[in-house]
Amino acid sequence: QSVLTQPPSESGTPGQRVTISCSGSISNIGGDFVYWYQQLPGTAPRLLINRHNQRPSGVPDRFSGSKSGTSASLAISDLRSEDEGNYYCAAWDDRLSGWVFGGGTKLTVL
Amino acid sequence: QLHLQESGPGLVRPSETLSLTCTVSGGSISSRSFFWGWIRQPPGKGLEWIGTVFSTGSTYYDPSLKSRVSISVDTSQNQLSLRVNSVTAADTAIYYCARHEGDGPYYGVDVWGQGITVTVSS
Repeated sequence: QSVLTQPPSESGTPGQRVTISCSGSISNIGGDFVYWYQQLPGTAPRLLINRHNQRPSGVPDRFSGSKSGTSASLAISDLRSEDEGNYYCAAWDDRLSGWVFGGGTKLTVL
Repeated sequence: QLHLQESGPGLVRPSETLSLTCTVSGGSISSRSFFWGWIRQPPGKGLEWIGTVFSTGSTYYDPSLKSRVSISVDTSQNQLSLRVNSVTAADTAIYYCARHEGDGPYYGVDVWGQGITVTVSS
């Protein structure tokens, strides 16, 4: 049972816009920044969105993050086949004094 | 460019100690600008934070693992180490070495190692 809640799966067709949600509490998302990671099959995770909702160099501007209260979302526009993989949200939890992750969302491009 | 490389045994016997090393290249683990950590991923499952350390030795651990885990830095070797005592099959996972993007443990990971698969089995 993950501290942050994500839907187990999402899907979309090429060119479509999809969003992945991440729900937490006041001790994590509600009080701190949210990070988003992409993990393509057989590879290590890579940072997509950092604490300032910025994309590291090399991450396309098709990816964007937002937060409202104790929930956050990752939006992917102009969906492409190479976006297929798992996506994780993460946040620092002040109550646990540690990092918590969402369970991950498997994105399928139909 | 910063590169993190994990190393260690791929097979550990139950009840024994898992020991991994992460060698940092392209940057200094002594830097006061970053924290460093370990994250693992059991087969077919999601990411689990293990712990985070600063070059001074200050550490933060996941509460559920704290009694069995130790993370340290060797600034002379530019390495990060992980020890997990009394392992069971539940500790079977890919273990990732990571850099946090700022000078506090609450900064997220921005650089990941490629990961090393560790299996706990007799």
